[in-house]
Amino acid sequence: KAGVTQTPRYLIKTRGQQVTLSCSPISGHRSVSWYQQTPGQGLQFLFEYFSETQRNKGNFPGRFSGRQFSNSRSEMNVSTLELGDSALYLCASSPMGQGAMANEKLFFGSGTQLSVL
Amino acid sequence: LAKTTQPISMDSYEGQEVNITCSHNNIATNDYITWYQQFPSQGPRFIIQGYKTKVTNEVASLFIPADRKSSTLSLPRVSLSDTAVYYCLVGATDYGQNFVFGPGTRLSVLP
Repeated sequence: KAGVTQTPRYLIKTRGQQVTLSCSPISGHRSVSWYQQTPGQGLQFLFEYFSETQRNKGNFPGRFSGRQFSNSRSEMNVSTLELGDSALYLCASSPMGQGAMANEKLFFGSGTQLSVL
Repeated sequence: LAKTTQPISMDSYEGQEVNITCSHNNIATNDYITWYQQFPSQGPRFIIQGYKTKVTNEVASLFIPADRKSSTLSLPRVSLSDTAVYYCLVGATDYGQNFVFGPGTRLSVLP
């Protein structure tokens, strides 16, 4: 079974631009969650989607948004990029639809490394 | 989400057994303890999960005392390829709580 796929793998943008990242979960997994990882802040939760609905959201500004499609694929968007948005963005899927909030095992993709210049 | 505390870093030599302890004093009754491994520029990878006593799989063992306020990940006979960051995560059953991985333990395996 194929793992979680994130595209693109690397991305370079300039301040003020917007970016869209894509995540394809493992087949049959219905929950997708997104994380930002930086050397200074560690791995932080952005949001979680289940059945096309955002179920939980972390402490990030409204410039960070996401959505999930009927096939469980998910996208996240960051508008008006800032230098501090440079990070590894990780997506994870889980099979039962309860995510890490309920002890479920998370399957992570390799991430998208975003650099904002 | 229960707050966890782990050592920031550990060094070991190839062939040794490594034990990484995680403290989680406010663990809830329904919380499981899960450990992940992360290599640079990759997403975390599930290692092991447990609720109480001892759990063992092909890569690690997890020891959880009766009070469940801590847990110990045991890696038998580590190799250079085990050099990674190890995260202890204690699940929450209350939707709406923010979810953060702690800083993890950076394990360096030396030849």
